[in-house]
Parts: sequence; C-alpha cells; structure tokens
Amino acid sequence: AQSVTQPDIHITVSEGASLELRCNYSYGATPYLFWYVQSPGQGLQLLLKYFSGDTLVQGIKGFEAEFKRSQSSFNLRKPSVHWSDAAEYFCAVGRNYGGSQGNLIFGKGTKLSVKP
Amino acid sequence: DGGITQSPKYLFRKEGQNVTLSCEQNLNHDAMYWYRQDPGQGLRLIYYSQIVNDFQKGDIAEGYSVSREKKESFPLTVTSAQKNPTAFYLCASRSGTPEAQFFGPGTRLTVL
Repeated sequence: AQSVTQPDIHITVSEGASLELRCNYSYGATPYLFWYVQSPGQGLQLLLKYFSGDTLVQGIKGFEAEFKRSQSSFNLRKPSVHWSDAAEYFCAVGRNYGGSQGNLIFGKGTKLSVKP
Repeated sequence: DGGITQSPKYLFRKEGQNVTLSCEQNLNHDAMYWYRQDPGQGLRLIYYSQIVNDFQKGDIAEGYSVSREKKESFPLTVTSAQKNPTAFYLCASRSGTPEAQFFGPGTRLTVL
C-alpha cells in the first residue's frame, strides 16, 4: 500500500539557520510528490511539486526539495529560516492510476517552530 | 479572484444533529475532495468527486454524505451517525492529473 512517512513530528530551528524536513514514501511507480504548508487554523498552501524531470525543484518562499528515487525520499530544504516559516508542513504523494487517479496520500505532518 | 471558499469558518452543533458544510470553487476544476484533519493525524480523505454527478468514498466515509450536482459545489453533510465529528474539515479541488490539489480555508466543526 502507498504511504508517506514524515519521521519528525516537531522540529525547532533558530531563525537564520538552515532547515531540512524529511519525507519518505512508498509507491510502486514514479510518484507525483508535493509539499504543502499550513498555518494554524488555515487551509493548506502548495509549496512545490515534482512530477518528472529535474530532481531538484524550486518552490515558493525560498523552499526547494530534492527527489531521490534510490532513497524513496523527497526532503524539503530552506537555506535560511525566517520566523514566518513557523507552521506545519505536509508531504504528499499522488496516485497516478485507476479510479483514484489524482488522489493524494498525506504524511502526518512536521510542525516547525522557529527560535528568535 | 479564483479560489475555494468554505463556509462557515466555525460551526457548533448539538450532538445528534446533522450539519452541512459548504464548499464552492470558481476555478473550473473537475475534481473536488473533502478531508478531515485531527491533531497529529494528517489529512484523511472522506469523499471525492472526479466529475459532476459522480462521487466516491474515501478512507473514512462512514457517517458522512456528499452531493455533486454542480461543478462548482461539493457540500458535505456530517450525519448523526458520525461518532466523533468534532474536527477541522478541508475542501480541495484539482484541475487534472498530475496537477496539485488546491485547498479552501477550512471549517472547524465542534459538536457539543
């Protein structure tokens, strides 16, 4: 069965420090991969997506992610974190076959806190 | 502006009452989704619709019902059969595959 694992439930980083959020997926074919961000009480905002091609993808707000097929990973990175980046981050894999094509499977999220 | 609207933002109901959550999109997207979010659980799919007049059960459909009579609207009814309805509900839509899903602002339902 397809699944997405975000190993870190909560991460705290200092403002200005680099960030890496981990995401591992289980999927039989080439996956469609997404990262979303959610502020408290809000909906999800798409940060970036990977469908094919270049394995390093750039997103909004200075985020990037790298697809590594050999490690079944799609980790999110940012070189310098800002206080406004404090939020919850969700990794998701998209189903690309059958009647549920286009449906997403979400990880349980990583909450990011930023220290001043 | 194109987007997804959900109303109301906060909803309070007494136990045993049915309640309907609204979701409207003006993005001309074919597919629409309802998710439930509980702390530490991520997002769980309740129902989805790939096209008007058709919808499918997701992973946790028991106690919920939907309709898709118009392309832009996908209302969710939380019935009295749903044992633990207090949660944050998110609606999303998607234009095609492999496109991303876009989310509304959510409705927080509290059953007293």
